[in-house]
Amino acid sequence: DAMVIQNPRYQVTQFGKPVTLSCSQTLNHNVMYWYQQKSSQAPKLLFHYYDKDFNNEADTPDNFQSRRPNTSFCFLDIRSPGLGDAAMYLCATSTGLAGLAQYFGPGTRLTVL
Amino acid sequence: TQLLEQSPQFLSIQEGENLTVYCNSSSVFSSLQWYRQEPGEGPVLLVTVVTGGEVKKLKRLTFQFGDARKDSSLHITAAQPGDTGLYLCAGARDNDYKLSFGAGTTVTVRA
Repeated sequence: DAMVIQNPRYQVTQFGKPVTLSCSQTLNHNVMYWYQQKSSQAPKLLFHYYDKDFNNEADTPDNFQSRRPNTSFCFLDIRSPGLGDAAMYLCATSTGLAGLAQYFGPGTRLTVL
Repeated sequence: TQLLEQSPQFLSIQEGENLTVYCNSSSVFSSLQWYRQEPGEGPVLLVTVVTGGEVKKLKRLTFQFGDARKDSSLHITAAQPGDTGLYLCAGARDNDYKLSFGAGTTVTVRA
């Protein structure tokens, strides 16, 4: 089945220790998104790639970076995690056609000690 | 400021009862999606509505898109404990492949 896969599902890191979250997709979608979601809140868009074009949201901290080495994979790097960065991180994909739905992965739960 | 306002924020009902969740905006959307998210999982797409006045049914779930494409509702008939979750509406505007999410409605169905 075509799908969006996130690894790991749970990640524990220490305050200030860099961490990388991974997302892969078999849908061959043009767009990949990274969202941050805190408890029972709406997902908050951090940035997205349309093919190789990177698009950062204005209020995304510099602490968050992303890489998309190919169509299938996208990574979220948190350079110096703080306690406030503990959250669920969701990867999503879409075809990029306006108005069409996004398909989400299962998420990575990040804990910062 | 949330572009899409969802109400209520929390809803707790007994198994077998009906419920309705609302999603309202002052903006026009070219399409609107509803997602259900279970604890510890990513949101799962339930439906996409694109035409003003459109009604879609998915078993016991009925989705309606307002005539002016500014609002939507989700109605669940005879709710079951498996319907428990966070329901999110998300809208896409013309020529935009990003979504604006509502804050979500947490639904709890008690057995």
